[in-house]
Amino acid sequence: LAKTTQPISMDSYEGQEVNITCSHNNIATNDYITWYQQFPSQGPRFIIQGYKTKVTNEVASLFIPADRKSSTLSLPRVSLSDTAVYYCLVVPDSGYSTLTFGKGTMLLVSP
Amino acid sequence: KAGVTQTPRYLIKTRGQQVTLSCSPISGHRSVSWYQQTPGQGLQFLFEYFSETQRNKGNFPGRFSGRQFSNSRSEMNVSTLELGDSALYLCASSLVGTASYEQYFGPGTRLTVT
Repeated sequence: LAKTTQPISMDSYEGQEVNITCSHNNIATNDYITWYQQFPSQGPRFIIQGYKTKVTNEVASLFIPADRKSSTLSLPRVSLSDTAVYYCLVVPDSGYSTLTFGKGTMLLVSP
Repeated sequence: KAGVTQTPRYLIKTRGQQVTLSCSPISGHRSVSWYQQTPGQGLQFLFEYFSETQRNKGNFPGRFSGRQFSNSRSEMNVSTLELGDSALYLCASSLVGTASYEQYFGPGTRLTVT
């Protein structure tokens, strides 16, 4: 499984755009890049996934360069409720439901 | 559609005891995975069940076991509890046939071992 590296923490203010970059140098051809969000004392919640280029949904955008060795989760105009831990995962498209979580990035949004 | 439910939500046990946690997946989901979350080790995969069979297992001692019933509900059991077993135990379910990245997590069971 490809190892992921992301910042331990980030700070932002309400209304700003936040970009969290994840490094995954050893990503394999059939791996997907996936991001989860976790609030304290709750289970993680799936945010977005992608394979290459750009993916956008109602919550976030995911940018993946051509070499796929990194990815950037973009959260537009964050609010206080976006304060959470964000996990970047590399998941093989194997059909098996095993997620390997790293330490994640603790995002703190201030007023 | 109801989400993943876990019972109980909180539990306090004594060292040496055993505990059983329950998870009901989203209706129609046949894969159930269990994870342990601690401040020191983060989120770690325990095991995954599909159609009443364990498909994958993480690196945990044999004191941790699980099973899945024909209605996809799952239980995990921890025997001879140790202080280090204090953690948030999370259950996640997913559809068969979809990519494995999208799992739906329950709220977790907070286990405290004293």
